[in-house]
Amino acid sequence: EIVLTQSPGTLSLSPGERATLSCRASQSVSSSYLAWYQQKPGQAPRLLIYGASSRATGIPDRFSGSGSGTDFTLTISRLEPEDFAVYYCQQYGSSPSFFGQGTKLEIK
Amino acid sequence: EVQLVQSGAEVKKPGESLKISCKGSGYSFTTYWIGWVRQMPGKGLEWMGIIQPGDSDIRYSPSFKGQVTISADKSLSTAYLQWSSLKASDTGMYYCARARRPYGDLECLQYWGQGTLVTVSS
Repeated sequence: EIVLTQSPGTLSLSPGERATLSCRASQSVSSSYLAWYQQKPGQAPRLLIYGASSRATGIPDRFSGSGSGTDFTLTISRLEPEDFAVYYCQQYGSSPSFFGQGTKLEIK
Repeated sequence: EVQLVQSGAEVKKPGESLKISCKGSGYSFTTYWIGWVRQMPGKGLEWMGIIQPGDSDIRYSPSFKGQVTISADKSLSTAYLQWSSLKASDTGMYYCARARRPYGDLECLQYWGQGTLVTVSS
């Protein structure tokens, strides 16, 4: 099993700032099969990034993903008010798939 | 338009059985794997398992194997998650979600249902 650890647990920033979220895997993630999701209260998760760096359909270009092997990053270049939410990474390169425990991005 | 519509909220007692559903539309139901994800109150996402509705090939997370049963009826374009004997610790929101690409089980989840809230309490 590949376990994912996200950091920080909570990130407090202001609109307009840059956010950098980390996801570290216990083993190398095959073929960079790493995804990022956004979840707002009372809503289902939304796919943001797949394949470590490809944006899903309709996702603004202020969201970007990078990394390979065991270290991955989600960057939000300039935070908009609607970006404050919980973010999860997921590895899907081996079974069973796993989600990280999440990073809460809150308004400072 | 791809849609996954889940069955409504359930309130059950410990020891009771339950089957919740997820109906897909707007795409070829048998072409894409469908996964189930648990979210306990105030907690994160947990990957439970995934099914290929065409031939009912299933992958379970070890954490959920033997605790739940995943199935599908391709004639109804519907996937299911069921429990034979619920526990209070099964309380949570359960999401179904469709794989992003066809045919592969190793996939991220692009389209999500609205969730089914299951409450187990005596």
